[in-house]
Formats: sequence, C-alpha cells, structure tokens
Amino acid sequence: GQQLNQSPQSMFIQEGEDVSMNCTSSSIFNTWLWYKQDPGEGPVLLIALYKAGELTSNGRLTAQFGITRKDSFLNISASIPSDVGIYFCAGYSGAGSYQLTFGKGTKLSVIP
Amino acid sequence: NAGVTQTPKFQVLKTGQSMTLQCAQDMNHNSMYWYRQDPGMGLRLIYYSASEGTTDKGEVPNGYNVSRLNKREFSLRLESAAPSQTSVYFCASSATGGNQPQHFGDGTRLSIL
Repeated sequence: GQQLNQSPQSMFIQEGEDVSMNCTSSSIFNTWLWYKQDPGEGPVLLIALYKAGELTSNGRLTAQFGITRKDSFLNISASIPSDVGIYFCAGYSGAGSYQLTFGKGTKLSVIP
Repeated sequence: NAGVTQTPKFQVLKTGQSMTLQCAQDMNHNSMYWYRQDPGMGLRLIYYSASEGTTDKGEVPNGYNVSRLNKREFSLRLESAAPSQTSVYFCASSATGGNQPQHFGDGTRLSIL
C-alpha cells in the first residue's frame, strides 16, 4: 500500500523558534492534508492542499504541496507552548478517492 | 456544534466479548470512516462508507464489521474481541466526492484483556 514518511519523528524547540517538518512518498498524491492531534483528542484539520506548488497559510502555519506531487511541507512560525502536539500529514493518491493515507506523525515539544 | 460524536469514550472488554462502537455526525456529510490508531503509528483505515447504503473495506478490516445506519450514523462492531484489537478508534466524516478533508471525533479507547 501507499506509505508516507514523515520527518523528523520528534523535535524539541524553544518558544519563539520556527519549525519545519515534511512528508515524502515514492508515489504521487493528489491531495495533501495536515492535521494536529492533542493528547486524548482526535486529529484536527490544519491545512488542505489540492494543487502541485500550492502554498497555503493558516495563521502562523504555512504548508506547501511539492512540485513533484510526492512531498509536502509544514512550517510553523514563532512557536508558542500551545503548538505542542503530534502533527500528521495525510494524502489521497487517486482522484475521487476515499482512502486517506497517514504518516506516522511528528511529535513537537516547545520549551518555554 | 458537536461535529463527530463517538460513544463510548472508554471501554474494557474480555477476549471473546462483542462490542459496537457508535458514531454520529451533524455536518450533513455523506461519507464516513472508521480508523484505528496504535502507539507510534498513524491512523489506519478499517472501513468506510462513501454514501448511505454503501460500505467498503479499508486497509485493516479483518475482525470488524460496520453498519451505515442512516446518513448521520456509522457503527463499528467487534464480534469476538481479541487483544490485538486493543487500540484507539476514531470515526471521521467528509463531504461527498472523494479527496475531501476528513473531520474526526475524539475517539474511543478500547482495551481487550
């Protein structure tokens, strides 16, 4: 089946620093989604990307749909303590697909 | 503004017992999904229902059955629970058409002894 490789697996950063994480695949994806999951809760949608090269922002978060359609990137600027959590990338590899493939997540810790 | 509601939130079962997990959404979505999440793993699709009246297998369907009761509700049943089914189960829903963002409930934490 399809696989998404997320990196890094975990990261510790100082409050105020910028964060970058990425998601790669050996296959082409048509849609990329980024989610954040807090402990004891379900994933919450952050950003959705639909076109190669697309760059979309949501507050301090910016995500990009890679030109090759095999990768996506998420950046968080000026991190704050509430950014702590696990960030998942997910993607649809076909048009009109209902089967979403998830990466294994990047666990973010913010040091005040 | 509930979104996707899952019940129960926690459950402990003995091996061999049966259990139905309930999910309801109030966003008028046509498509609904069941996932499981294990430590250090992303979410894996168990079953999905693209629209009312249809269900399809996902990546890990063995040991589970589903019922799309109506547009709002989609249940997941474990007929004979096994320790390997200890996991956190998430329900999600999305608008029609495929390639749509999915919206998740807060999960059911299931332990099987």
